[in-house]
Parts: sequence; C-alpha cells; structure tokens
Amino acid sequence: AQSVTQPDIHITVSEGASLELRCNYSYGATPYLFWYVQSPGQGLQLLLKYFSGDTLVQGIKGFEAEFKRSQSSFNLRKPSVHWSDAAEYFCAVGENTGNQFYFGTGTSLTVIP
Amino acid sequence: DADVTQTPRNRITKTGKRIMLECSQTKGHDRMYWYRQDPGLGLRLIYYSFDVKDINKGEISDGYSVSRQAQAKFSLSLESAIPNQTALYFCATSDSRTSGRASYEQYFGPGTRLTVT
Repeated sequence: AQSVTQPDIHITVSEGASLELRCNYSYGATPYLFWYVQSPGQGLQLLLKYFSGDTLVQGIKGFEAEFKRSQSSFNLRKPSVHWSDAAEYFCAVGENTGNQFYFGTGTSLTVIP
Repeated sequence: DADVTQTPRNRITKTGKRIMLECSQTKGHDRMYWYRQDPGLGLRLIYYSFDVKDINKGEISDGYSVSRQAQAKFSLSLESAIPNQTALYFCATSDSRTSGRASYEQYFGPGTRLTVT
C-alpha cells in the first residue's frame, strides 16, 4: 500500500539557518512526489514536484528537494530560512494513474529570530 | 487559491444535524476532491470525482456523501453529523486534460473548519 512518512512532527530553526524536512514514501511504481505548504488559516500551496528526470528539483520561495530512489526519500531543503517560512509542510505521493494522492502527516516549522 | 472557493469557512453544528459543505471552482478543471485534515493525521481523501457522472470513494468515505452538481461544483454532505467529524475540510481540483504530468497537480481551496458539538 502507498504511504508517506514525515518523521519530524515539529522542527524549530533560527532565521537564516538551513532547513531540511524529511519525507519517505512507499510506492510500488515510479512515484510522483510533491511538497505542499500550509500557512495558518490557509489552504495548501504547491511548493514543488517531481515526476521524472533531474532528481534535484527547484520550487518556489527558494525551496528545493532531492529525489533519492535508493532511499525512497524526497527531502525538502532551503539554504536560509525566513520568518515567513513558518508553516506546516506536507509531502505527498501521487499515483502514476493520477487517481489519488497520499499525504504525510505534516511537519510544523517554527522560525525563531 | 481564489480559483477554488469553499463555503462556509467555519461552521459549528450539533450532533445529528445534516450539514453540507460546498466547493466551487473557476479553473475549468474536470477532477475534484474532498479531504479532511486532522492534527497529526495529515490529509485523508474522502471522495473524488473525475467528472459529473464519475464519483469514487476515498480512504474514509463512511459517514459522508457527495454530489457533483456541475463540473464546477462539488458538495460534501454529512447526513447525521457526529463529534469525530470535527475537522478541517479541503476541496481540491486537478485537470486531467492538461498535457503531461502537470495534470496530476492538485489545487486546494482555503478549507472549511467544521465543529460538531
């Protein structure tokens, strides 16, 4: 069965520090992978996606993610975090039929001055 | 995303009441989805619809029903609300007619916070 694991429930980083949010997935075929961000009181906004090709993908707001098939991972990174990045981040796996998404449980990011 | 709207944004109701959550989209997408979000559980799929005549159950459809009144409208109903249906509900859309894998992207509404007392 498909599943997505985000092992970190909550992360706190200082403004200007680097960030890495972890995501591991379980899917039998080639995965379609996504990272979404949810700001307080808002819906989910797509940060970036991976379908195929270059395993390092760039997204909006200075985020990037790397697909590592051998580790079944799709970790999200940002070199220097801004206070406005405080939000909840969700990793998702899409079936390659396009039928369903499976979301992780989310990682809540706090940014301290 | 302003292209996907949900009404109401907040609702408090009592156990046993019937309630409907509505979703409308102006993106012209053919596929629509309903999710619920619970703390620590992420988002779970309730129902999804690929067109007006194609509706499918998701992971947690028990206690819910849906109606796809038009391509742009997809409603979620709780026939007899219970407290464990208290959650944040999201509608999402995608466009299967978009070329390539971009069709798998989902666009979310702002959510409806439902409280059942």
